[in-house]
Amino acid sequence: AAGVIQSPRHLIKEKRETATLKCYPIPRHDTVYWYQQGPGQDPQFLISFYEKMQSDKGSIPDRFSAQQFSDYHSELNMSSLELGDSALYFCASSYRTVQETQYFGPGTRLLVL
Amino acid sequence: KNEVEQSPQNLTAQEGEFITINCSYSVGISALHWLQQHPGGGIVSLFMLSSGKKKHGRLIATINIQEKHSSLHITASHPRDSAVYICAVNYSGGGADGLTFGKGTHLIIQP
Repeated sequence: AAGVIQSPRHLIKEKRETATLKCYPIPRHDTVYWYQQGPGQDPQFLISFYEKMQSDKGSIPDRFSAQQFSDYHSELNMSSLELGDSALYFCASSYRTVQETQYFGPGTRLLVL
Repeated sequence: KNEVEQSPQNLTAQEGEFITINCSYSVGISALHWLQQHPGGGIVSLFMLSSGKKKHGRLIATINIQEKHSSLHITASHPRDSAVYICAVNYSGGGADGLTFGKGTHLIIQP
């Protein structure tokens, strides 16, 4: 069965650079969630989209933005990268919100030097 | 602050033992999730509960909404069950669909 696809899987950036992470949900899933997991930390919810509209917002920094496109894939744009942005970024998808299981992608490991 | 508490934080057991991991939360939820994270980082959804009990293979998850408590049980544990088990909740409220995570239980099953 198709799973959530994230790209790239690994990314190395310098401070103050920008990065774009991509997430391709499971086919027919209409909701995408972004989470950030710092080293040794539990995941933190950043933002979610349902039917291409922002659905819920968590602890996403103002330097980050995200959107969901007409084909339901989502992109997380990160600007003015800081050392503290080094983390594992997970995307998850579900069909509708709240009452549905969230299926997680393998994550993008971002290292900011 | 909406918190999710898990216990124990670390658990080492022998193969074949019955394992219980507990999760409590502070305010009303619409759903509770049990997740498994392996050392490589990937997260797998095990259960989503809003009431009662669910079973999948050797895994059983229960939830008591009144007591704001859930348990994950593993029967006949095996070394391949070694992983971090995470409890996460959807808090009640319009549009609140991002998960709030507990800090995880690091489980090691020794042969």
